[in-house]
Amino acid sequence: DILMTQSPSSLSASVGDRVTITCRASQNISIYFNWYQQRPGKAPNLLIYAVSHLHGGVPSRFRGSGSGADFTLAINSLEPEDFATYYCQQTYSLPPTFGGGTKVDI
Amino acid sequence: QVRLVESGGGLVKPGGSLRLSCAASGFPLGDFYMTWIRQAPGKGLEWLSYIGRSGTTIYYADSVKGRFVVSRDNAKNSLYLQMNSLRADDTAVYYCARDQVVTAGDSYDVWGQGTVVIVSS
Repeated sequence: DILMTQSPSSLSASVGDRVTITCRASQNISIYFNWYQQRPGKAPNLLIYAVSHLHGGVPSRFRGSGSGADFTLAINSLEPEDFATYYCQQTYSLPPTFGGGTKVDI
Repeated sequence: QVRLVESGGGLVKPGGSLRLSCAASGFPLGDFYMTWIRQAPGKGLEWLSYIGRSGTTIYYADSVKGRFVVSRDNAKNSLYLQMNSLRADDTAVYYCARDQVVTAGDSYDVWGQGTVVIVSS
């Protein structure tokens, strides 16, 4: 199975801050890579698919980048609703695997 | 409105069975691949199973292979997960999700609210 390693596992930030979360795959996964956001007590929501494509309705302050095995999620100017846990995922090969999550809190 | 609603969770004893359902509305289920994912308490996301549009293509995670069976009834716009031989480590919130297959792979663009399964004696 492809191992997805996120860092950091948690971070504290303030409204208006810019934060970055990284995710490293244990092998090259091309662009078969997604980001999800999960607010407390809620189901995950798709944020970004195929590395850098924003899912419908996702604000432009979210940006995904990377290729191969190293990927980054950047959130420009944090809003209160952005405090959540973020998961990366690879769908390059079965089974699809998720990173351990990055909790962004105040 | 595109929506997925899971049901069927509950408390079950080790070794028991449960059948989860996922009702789709706002879109034709038969047009999409579907996935089951779970999240143990305080833990991350774990992919469990994938079923193709017609139900003939199915994959399982090793952790549930041989114990769980995924199926679908496109006429009823419903997805199912039959869970047998349940263990304590199957305790989790179970989500169904719609798989949007694009050129660059799969991603899950619609999720249900989740249904809680607790396996305990």
